[in-house]
Amino acid sequence: QVQLLQSGAEVKRPGASVKVSCKASGYSISGYYIHWIRQAPGQGLEWMGWINPDSRITNYAQKFQGWVTMTRDLSISTVYMELSGLKSDDTAVYYCARLNGAFDMWGQGTRITVSS
Amino acid sequence: QSALTQPASVSGSPGQPITISCTGSSSDIGAYKYVSWYQWKPGKAPKLLIYDVNKRPSGVSNRFSGSKSGNTASLTISGLQAEDEANYFCSSYTDSNTFVFATGTEVTVL
Repeated sequence: QVQLLQSGAEVKRPGASVKVSCKASGYSISGYYIHWIRQAPGQGLEWMGWINPDSRITNYAQKFQGWVTMTRDLSISTVYMELSGLKSDDTAVYYCARLNGAFDMWGQGTRITVSS
Repeated sequence: QSALTQPASVSGSPGQPITISCTGSSSDIGAYKYVSWYQWKPGKAPKLLIYDVNKRPSGVSNRFSGSKSGNTASLTISGLQAEDEANYFCSSYTDSNTFVFATGTEVTVL
């Protein structure tokens, strides 16, 4: 089955880091860019950036530059999104999505709660 | 980059057509053909309905169609059905090599 499967929900303290995984199955992860998008409670979707799993090249939204890192491990068909220096307003559901002309496949979402 | 703008809600009776607008700027919708539309139902992942302004992926009903004029894109659902109740949102590529989304429109079938 062609899908993106994300890691489970996490609760983090302010200032901590979180690393969310997104595993591709049913297709070659090298073939398509993976984007990360988040949705805070009651808010719209916010684009965070992308990674080209083949070349490792990344492009981050200006807002996240310096505190988001996207990486990949081709051996397990997985990309990662790490966010550091978490604040309460980073509480959101984080999604990975495959770009194939448009976002044609989305992960199920990972809820990250930042709370002291 | 400002979010795209959609009406918060749209409703219609079964069999009627509805149109959802998505307004951006000359830096996103107005500049590129890379406008896409998604259907999002609770507990599910978003589903791609339209890409490149007016193209439908395989398997998407031809009741869904897209268009664009200037800085505004539109999604039309012809022959509204109960199963069409969902949140619909648009997205566009921008001249900053980024993507921007709208907050979405809740569609209600009366």
